Amino acid sequence: DGGITQSPKYLFRKEGQNVTLSCEQNLNHDAMYWYRQDPGQGLRLIYYSQIVNDFQKGDIAEGYSVSREKKESFPLTVTSAQKNPTAFYLCASSSAVGPGGQPQHFGDGTRLSIL
Amino acid sequence: SQQGEEDPQALSIQEGENATMNCSYKTSINNLQWYRQNSGRGLVHLILIRSNEREKHSGRLRVTLDTSKKSSSLLITASRAADTASYFCATLSYTGTASKLTFGTGTRLQVTL
Repeated sequence: DGGITQSPKYLFRKEGQNVTLSCEQNLNHDAMYWYRQDPGQGLRLIYYSQIVNDFQKGDIAEGYSVSREKKESFPLTVTSAQKNPTAFYLCASSSAVGPGGQPQHFGDGTRLSIL
Repeated sequence: SQQGEEDPQALSIQEGENATMNCSYKTSINNLQWYRQNSGRGLVHLILIRSNEREKHSGRLRVTLDTSKKSSSLLITASRAADTASYFCATLSYTGTASKLTFGTGTRLQVTL
């Protein structure tokens, strides 16, 4: 079955530590996205990528970094510079980029907490 | 920034009743999408309505869009306990180089037996 796989499901970060969240898709989608969701709130865009080897900052990119070396993979690193990393992180992908705006497909998220 | 604002924030109804959720937004859009999120899970796309459309149906879902009022509504008819979830509207804007979805804060729907 095609879909998006996020791992791990739960992740704990120690003070001063960088952690990397994995996102893999087998939908052959060009565009991939990372969102952060805080309790009782909507999603906020961290980074997005429309094509391999290219990505852009979203609304809350500070303290995060990404790479897009393969079409299928878009890992997110939460760096020690992100002082409030506790949140639910969602990865998504879509088939096309443009004014048509295709729906996004989501993974089941990674819940990150501070130890 | 959050473009969409859903109303109400929470809604509790009995099975068989209809549920209506509203979404308001601030800037011009290319389309508006509704998503559903079960607790602790990712979002699932429900329906997309383009800026030149006024109404769209999909099964028990009916979506309306009023671009003059910058608002949309999602109606779920004959609700079921399995409809219990959070529902988000998301507006898509295309800048010429990138299309971005901006999500609202969501409506938590509880359907009781």
